[in-house]
Amino acid sequence: QKEVEQNSGPLSVPEGAIASLNCTYSDRGSQSFFWYRQYSGKSPELIMSIYSNGDKEDGRFTAQLNKASQYVSLLIRDSQPSDSATYLCAASRGGSNYKLTFGKGTLLTVNP
Amino acid sequence: GAVVSQHPSWVICKSGTSVKIECRSLDFQATTMFWYRQFPKQSLMLMATSNEGSKATYEQGVEKDKFLINHASLTLSTLTVTSAHPEDSSFYICSARATGEQPQHFGDGTRLSIL
Repeated sequence: QKEVEQNSGPLSVPEGAIASLNCTYSDRGSQSFFWYRQYSGKSPELIMSIYSNGDKEDGRFTAQLNKASQYVSLLIRDSQPSDSATYLCAASRGGSNYKLTFGKGTLLTVNP
Repeated sequence: GAVVSQHPSWVICKSGTSVKIECRSLDFQATTMFWYRQFPKQSLMLMATSNEGSKATYEQGVEKDKFLINHASLTLSTLTVTSAHPEDSSFYICSARATGEQPQHFGDGTRLSIL
């Protein structure tokens, strides 16, 4: 069974702090990894994608991938109250359809 | 870019009714579209994968005769929930993947309530 595990939280950080979200996956065949943000009652929105080991930065967001440890993380710098949402980690084996396996999500609350 | 439109956003109907949900990629061609269902406080569960011009591939446990999927063009896929019952009430979300790219982009979802 291919699984993606996330700490369900809630994770609470003060405004301006760094929020650290973690994810592990069981399928060693996973090649591509994605972080989505989902506000309550809304559909997911793509935040970051990462395909190779190391760090990838985009604005206040940094994704980190370690395939040997089967670990993916997302750092949010200078957290804002508008970052409060559920963050979904997803993994894909690639292939012709690129199906995603989602974790259950981590609820992040940024306190003003 | 990468905008996916889903319609309708909210449906309330009587038990036994069939409901059709449309998913359109507005500014790109989508080789593959996906249909998910999400129950409250749970993650997204993939129902089926749809490729343009071919039959959808359903995940284990999803009834293909109940959830009819048509992907008639590179920009449109539809999901029809046939003879819907209260247990089919859920948040249905489509996503689309552009040709040659990996990330899936999601529509706004359809909240289906069956009375």
